[in-house]
Amino acid sequence: GAVVSQHPSWVICKSGTSVKIECRSLDFQATTMFWYRQFPKQSLMLMATSNEGSKATYEQGVEKDKFLINHASLTLSTLTVTSAHPEDSSFYICSARVGGRAGANVLTFGAGSRLTVL
Amino acid sequence: AQTVTQSQPEMSVQEAETVTLSCTYDTSESDYYLFWYKQPPSRQMILVIRQEAYKQQNATENRFSVNFQKAAKSFSLKISDSQLGDAAMYFCAYRSSDSNYQLIWGAGTKLIIKP
Repeated sequence: GAVVSQHPSWVICKSGTSVKIECRSLDFQATTMFWYRQFPKQSLMLMATSNEGSKATYEQGVEKDKFLINHASLTLSTLTVTSAHPEDSSFYICSARVGGRAGANVLTFGAGSRLTVL
Repeated sequence: AQTVTQSQPEMSVQEAETVTLSCTYDTSESDYYLFWYKQPPSRQMILVIRQEAYKQQNATENRFSVNFQKAAKSFSLKISDSQLGDAAMYFCAYRSSDSNYQLIWGAGTKLIIKP
């Protein structure tokens, strides 16, 4: 089945540094990927929609200069948390649409990345 | 705007028993998709089951089945013969047929399996 690989699974960084999270579709092409943020014991909050070859579409309230999204190829989208601060600590999840008849209307998720900013 | 409501923050069931998780949604659309996702302690989101609104027949996947009541805008998940591995957060989600595959999520229900 379709697999989305997300890396790193866990990252700790110092306040003020930038962190990049990668999301790869391993056996399919993903023209659209989604980035979510999940706070403890809460549901997923959509941050942005990443489209291959074009600018990401950010949800209201999400700082595009803080959370840089790049979708340079059909199999890779990256989320860079710039100048990270402790309040950016969270669990970040990416997902991709699986195309074709078998994957119609289904999103496949990465395993998530836990970011801790000290 | 569409909304998804899961009114049960937590449910528990004895191993091998049956449990039903509730989900209601609000929409003015007639064509849409509904999903149940499972998030175990590993936090990997896993698709459990999906339902197309235009299909009257309830979707089933092995021990998992749904009770889709379109008029009532209800989409409950029934887990039969509960197993310890079913312990997880369960999220109900809605997708409009004309959206860019964006999902609208419920708040989730934590399912505890008692051995």
